[in-house]
Formats: sequence, structure tokens, C-alpha cells
Amino acid sequence: QKEVEQNSGPLSVPEGAIASLNCTYSDRVSQSFFWYRQYSGKSPELIMSIYSNGDKEDGRFTAQLNKASQYVSLLIRDSQPSDSATYLCAVIRHSPGGSYIPTFGRGTSLIVHP
Amino acid sequence: DGGITQSPKYLFRKEGQNVTLSCEQNLNHDAMYWYRQDPGQGLRLIYYSQIVNDFQKGDIAEGYSVSREKKESFPLTVTSAQKNPTAFYLCASSPPGPRTDTQYFGPGTRLTVL
Repeated sequence: QKEVEQNSGPLSVPEGAIASLNCTYSDRVSQSFFWYRQYSGKSPELIMSIYSNGDKEDGRFTAQLNKASQYVSLLIRDSQPSDSATYLCAVIRHSPGGSYIPTFGRGTSLIVHP
Repeated sequence: DGGITQSPKYLFRKEGQNVTLSCEQNLNHDAMYWYRQDPGQGLRLIYYSQIVNDFQKGDIAEGYSVSREKKESFPLTVTSAQKNPTAFYLCASSPPGPRTDTQYFGPGTRLTVL
């Protein structure tokens, strides 16, 4: 069973702080990694993807990937109350037949308080 | 407008009834996916389809069925064999080309069994 683990939280940070969200995965052949944001009662929205070891920045968001440690993280700088949501980590395995097999973590609830 | 639509938004079903959830996209996406989300849980893959007339079981396919007769449509039937169908159902699709592993979600259907 391929697993993606996230701390369910809630993670509470003050407005303006850096929020750090973490995700570990068990399948070493995973090749694509995604972060989604999901507001309560809504569907997930794509934040960003990362494919190579290291950091990838997009605005206030930075994704970090370490394949050797099977670890991917998301940093949110200058956190805003509107960032309060559940953040889902998704890991994609590319099968030999050409399919992309996704596995999602349970998500981390983030609360940004004024 | 291009996008992924799911209907209905809310659905109520009596025990023992089959029900079909609609998912349509006009984005020219090849791959489509169905997920189930329970409170406090991540997304669990029910079925996915990479091309028309072909689909694969995900992690929790029992009690569900799908069809993919058109590229734009991927309906999900929740059968009476599904013992605990009350959940939030999400459809997703992926574009062709280099980002075919990236999933975009519809707004979801919330199914309640009475």
C-alpha cells in the first residue's frame, strides 16, 4: 500500500509568519509531487508542483523536495488569514503503461490568526 | 467557459438505490479521475480513465462503476453494493502533454444516503 503521510494539525500561525507544512511518502518510484489547497466544503485547488530535488518558489509559496528522504514540504511566507485551509499533498507514480497513479495525504489544517 | 462540471451539487439517495454522478469537462483533457473524500480524510481514488473506452480500478472501486464513452464525460454510478456511500465525491481531469500528471478538480457532489 503506497502511503502519503501528513500531520493533520491544526497548525496555527500568526498573520505574517511562515507556515511550514510537511509530507512524507513511502513509494520510492514516485516522480511527481503536488500541493493543493482545500477550503472547507470546496474542491482542491492546485498550488504548485515539484519534480526535482531542491526548492521551487512561486510567489509566497515554496515547495521543497528531498527524494532521498522521501520528503516534500510547502512553506507559506507572510501567511494571511485567507491562507487558512487544509493543504493536501499528492504524490504521483508513473506506471510503465503510461498511467499516472495518484495518492493523496489526509491533509494538514492551517489556521492563520490575526 | 472551459472547466470541469459536476452535477448535482447535492444528492440524496435512499438505501438500496443506485445513483449516477455526472462529470463533464470541455478542456480537451484525456485523463479523468473519481475520488471520494470522507470527513478528516484525504482523497481516495475510485476509478480513473486515461482514454475513451478504457478505465482502471483505483483503491476503493468496490460498489462503484464508471463508463467513458466520450472524452468529455466520465459518469460514476454508486450502486447499492456500496455499504457506506455518504461522502463528498470529486472528479478531476488532466491535460495532455508534459503536464498530464497534473489534476484539476471539479466542484464536487455531496452524496447523502437517507
